[in-house]
Amino acid sequence: GIQVEQSPPDLILQEGANSTLRCNFSDSVNNLQWFHQNPWGQLINLFYIPSGTKQNGRLSATTVATERYSLLYISSSQTTDSGVYFCALRTGGGNKLTFGTGTQLKVEL
Amino acid sequence: NAGVMQNPRHLVRRRGQEARLRCSPMKGHSHVYWYRQLPEEGLKFMVYLQKENIIDESGMPKERFSAEFPKEGPSILRIQQVVRGDSAAYFCASSPRGLGQSYEQYFGPGTRLTVT
Repeated sequence: GIQVEQSPPDLILQEGANSTLRCNFSDSVNNLQWFHQNPWGQLINLFYIPSGTKQNGRLSATTVATERYSLLYISSSQTTDSGVYFCALRTGGGNKLTFGTGTQLKVEL
Repeated sequence: NAGVMQNPRHLVRRRGQEARLRCSPMKGHSHVYWYRQLPEEGLKFMVYLQKENIIDESGMPKERFSAEFPKEGPSILRIQQVVRGDSAAYFCASSPRGLGQSYEQYFGPGTRLTVT
């Protein structure tokens, strides 16, 4: 099956800093989503981005499907950004999402 | 704008009991997916259902686990004779479209099952 690797696995930031999270995948995809799992365990949809670039406030994402990677940018980070960030992919004619290994982010004052 | 609803949010069962987890998809969504998240791990696909049909159960354990999505009412994930290894967070997701089409999956808040 498809391999999905995220980097870095752990990240500690000072409030106000910017960061880039990366998602590499081993096969072509027709659905890519980014999620934030907050410290209470809830999964929050951030982006649906099988290709191209999208922005939502302090967050933006870019997927380069031909090179099999996606990037999530967080600018001016806040403590509420803490949690785990997952990318998840759907491939071919399948229907299930395959989740990446996650990036654990902690934003400190 | 109600999202995906799951209940209960927390469930404690003793070994050998049955656990029933419920999921109501977003309004207008007829495709439901169940995922399991073991402690300190990512989410793993279990099963994909449409109304009255199981489409893909390739991620379901072969024994003790079953799922349904009846014509009326929520989707149910049933775990019989629970064991401690079943302790996990179980997430339900829904989408307006399914196989072969572009769509986004929306997740519920999850049910945290603890087996004592």
